[in-house]
Amino acid sequence: GQQLNQSPQSMFIQEGEDVSMNCTSSSIFNTWLWYKQDPGEGPVLLIALYKAGELTSNGRLTAQFGITRKDSFLNISASIPSDVGIYFCAGQLLSGNTPLVFGKGTRLSVIA
Amino acid sequence: GAVVSQHPSRVICKSGTSVKIECRSLDFQATTMFWYRQFPKQSLMLMATSNEGSKATYEQGVEKDKFLINHASLTLSTLTVTSAHPEDSSFYICSALGLAGRREQFFGPGTRLTVL
Repeated sequence: GQQLNQSPQSMFIQEGEDVSMNCTSSSIFNTWLWYKQDPGEGPVLLIALYKAGELTSNGRLTAQFGITRKDSFLNISASIPSDVGIYFCAGQLLSGNTPLVFGKGTRLSVIA
Repeated sequence: GAVVSQHPSRVICKSGTSVKIECRSLDFQATTMFWYRQFPKQSLMLMATSNEGSKATYEQGVEKDKFLINHASLTLSTLTVTSAHPEDSSFYICSALGLAGRREQFFGPGTRLTVL
């Protein structure tokens, strides 16, 4: 099935550093979502984006819905050890009850 | 926030047996639920879309007779892995889509299935 191109695949950063990851697609999406997944758990929704150009923050997290509707980025500022996990972007091609298309994930490791 | 539960969280079964996994939306009604499968260090793979009161829509390559889905109410969907085999061992996760035009999907905590 269709997948989003998510990069980077993994990151090792020092505590306190800022992090940026992004997703791109050849298709236009109506919705972009960012999730975090801890080992052995289900993904937890971090930020939802609904409009092209929309910039939304959730604490130290900031995400933007690209103006072309084919990309999105997630920034984490001043990383802390509990930021460790796998971050997934997800897009919805159409509104309503259509399934999400997922990126392959970015594995974040934070070195204290 | 919207809470989705799954039961059981872990299950170990013998090859050939059937296993039922429940997915419940606890504080909202979900007209649509999705079932995913996730292998270690990989992304989520959509298995099927479950709509309340109607037959599930399966993704290509997913056997509907192998993975039975029932969405009998607005708060409960079940996935039954029939005649499980070791290759069915995986992490199964459901998500729920709420009413009133909300487009976020909320995920359950997942069920780890191990088939011996």
